[in-house]
Order: sequence, then C-alpha cells, then structure tokens
Amino acid sequence: QSVLTQPPSASATPGQRVTISCSGSSFNIGGNTVTWYQQLPGTAPKLLIYSNNQRPSGVPDRFSGSKSGTSASLAISGLQSDDEADYYCAAFDDSQNGPVFGGGTQLIVL
Amino acid sequence: QLPLQESGPRLVKPSETLSLTCTVSGGSISSSDYYWGWVRQPPGKGLDWIGNVYYSGSTFYNPSLKSRVTLSIDTSKNQFTLKLSSVTAADTAVYYCARHKEAFSPSGSGSLDAFFDFWGQGTLVTVSS
Repeated sequence: QSVLTQPPSASATPGQRVTISCSGSSFNIGGNTVTWYQQLPGTAPKLLIYSNNQRPSGVPDRFSGSKSGTSASLAISGLQSDDEADYYCAAFDDSQNGPVFGGGTQLIVL
Repeated sequence: QLPLQESGPRLVKPSETLSLTCTVSGGSISSSDYYWGWVRQPPGKGLDWIGNVYYSGSTFYNPSLKSRVTLSIDTSKNQFTLKLSSVTAADTAVYYCARHKEAFSPSGSGSLDAFFDFWGQGTLVTVSS
C-alpha cells in the first residue's frame, strides 16, 4: 500500500491531453512539494517534474505539474506514443523523514 | 549527466545479507548539496525508498526497513553502500542508487523540495536458495 494514491492506469489517443492525479496528506503533499518521475519500460525512473511544476533541462513543455492542498496532478498535452510509460508521484514525508511514492500510473497511448 | 552504477551479487540466499555498492562518476560524492539514496522496485510493482546517506555519514532510513538496513559512504572511492540483512523472497527487486536533492523551496513557504535527479540503471537482486 503506497502512501500516495494514484490511479493504476490512464489512456488517451495521440495528440490528446491527459492528466494523472496524486493524492496524499498534510504530512507529505500538503506540506512539501511534489515530484513526478517517468519510467519507460525496462529503464530506470527519470526526473520529470520537481518543485510541483518545474521541468529539468530537456523535458518538453508538454509536461506540466500542479498542486493544490494535499493533491497534485501531472498533465501531458500533445500526447505521443513515446509517452507510454509508468508515471510516479513523490513527496517528502515529514512523519517518515524521507520521500514517499505513489503506486504509479501506467499511461497507455491508444 | 552523472553516471551512477550499482554493483554486487545478483543472487542472495534467504536469511543472508544483500550487499550493493554504488559508484558515482563525473561528480564528487562529498558535495554538501546532496544525499545519496537507494530505491527498490519489486517485479511488476512500484517504487519504494530504502534510505539516504549524507557525505558526513548521517543516515536516514525507511521506518519499515530500518531494523535491517545499513547505509555507508566512502568519499575516498566516491562510493556508497547498501546492506540489507535477513533477506526473504519479498526483498527480490530491482535496486536503484540515486542522487537525492533536499532543499527548502525558494517560494519561502517552508515546503521541502526533495527529489532524485540522477539514477543508476538498476540491478535485479533475486533472493532464492
């Protein structure tokens, strides 16, 4: 059972916009910023969004993040087949004194 | 880029100790700006934080694994190490080492930015007799 809650799957067609939600508590998302990771099949996770809505160098602006209260969202616009991956949210948890992850959302590009 | 590479036995017997080393290239592990961590992923499942170690040797562990985990760091070799004792089949997973950044958000809200920005490729460790 993951500390942060994500839907197990999401799907959309190429070119569409898709959002993935992440729910937590005051100990994590409510008090700290949210991070999103992208994990392509058979590879290590890759940092996608940090500090709620910041993109590392090289991440396209099709990817955006937002946070409100104890929930966060990742939005992907102009969906491409290469975006098919697992997406994980994470945040520092004050009660655990370390990072916690969501269970991951498998994005399927139809 | 900051290459990280995990190394160690891929097969461990039940009740024994799993030991992995992460070698960091292209940057100093002695930086005060970062922690160095381990994350694991059981086959077909999600990510699970194991713990972090600071260049000074300070350690921070997932409470669920704390009794069995020991992290250490060797700044002279630019390496850090994970030891997980009394392993069972439930510890079979891909183990990743990664660099962890923690800093207060520039927004001034008191929120903590915490994220893994560089990851190793991961190594599958199987617990089996």
